Amino acid sequence: AAGVIQSPRHLIKEKRETATLKCYPIPRHDTVYWYQQGPGQDPQFLISFYEKMQSDKGSIPDRFSAQQFSDYHSELNMSSLELGDSALYFCASAGGIHSPLHFGNGTRLTVT
Amino acid sequence: EDQVTQSPEALRLQEGESSSLNCSYTVSGLRGLFWYRQDPGKGPEFLFTLYSAGEEKEKERLKATLTKKESFLHITAPKPEDSATYLCAVQKSPGAGSYQLTFGKGTKLSVIP
Repeated sequence: AAGVIQSPRHLIKEKRETATLKCYPIPRHDTVYWYQQGPGQDPQFLISFYEKMQSDKGSIPDRFSAQQFSDYHSELNMSSLELGDSALYFCASAGGIHSPLHFGNGTRLTVT
Repeated sequence: EDQVTQSPEALRLQEGESSSLNCSYTVSGLRGLFWYRQDPGKGPEFLFTLYSAGEEKEKERLKATLTKKESFLHITAPKPEDSATYLCAVQKSPGAGSYQLTFGKGTKLSVIP
C-alpha cells in the first residue's frame, strides 16, 4: 500500500540558511500534518492543512511557513535556521478529519 | 492544558514475558486515543484508535483498552521484533479544538531473546 513520502530523507544546512521539506500524502488523503521530533522527544505538532487550507497551527516558529498545493502535496519552508532546529520532521496524512494519521519516515535536518 | 503521560519510560522483557504499558491522559473533550509504534529513525506506525471507555482492540500480540482516564497496551508473549517505542496520543473532539494529535513521551520496549 502507498505510504506518505517525504523528501529529502536527510538534510544538512548551516546556521541562517533556508530549507524546504516536501511531503506527498497517501493518495486521496486530503489532510496533512507536520510534526517536529527532537532527540528522545515526543513529536510536537507544527501545522496542519485540510483541503489546501491551513486548519490548525501549533508551536511553529515564525521563521517557518508551510502550504498545501493543488495536488495535495505539502512543503515546509524553514528560514534563518538555528542549531535548535535540528530534528526529525514528520509529515502525516489522513483521509478525512475522522481518520487516523499515517506518518512518513521523516526528514532528518541537521543544522551546523 | 492537555497532558498525556506514559509509563514506564522504558521496559525490558524476556521473550514470552507478558506485560502492559500505561497511558494516562487529561484532555478536554476526548475524541480518540491512538497508539503508535515507532522504530528508530522511522515515522510512527499506526496501531489502534479507541473512542470510548470500555472499548478494546487487538492486533496479533497487542491489545489496547481504554477507560475514562487511561489506556493500556497489553503485550502477550512478546517477541524480539516487538522491540520499539510505543507512543500514545490523544485527539480532541470537534468542539474542543483541532484534530491534531498530542503525544506522550513514549515507552521504549526491549524484548530480550
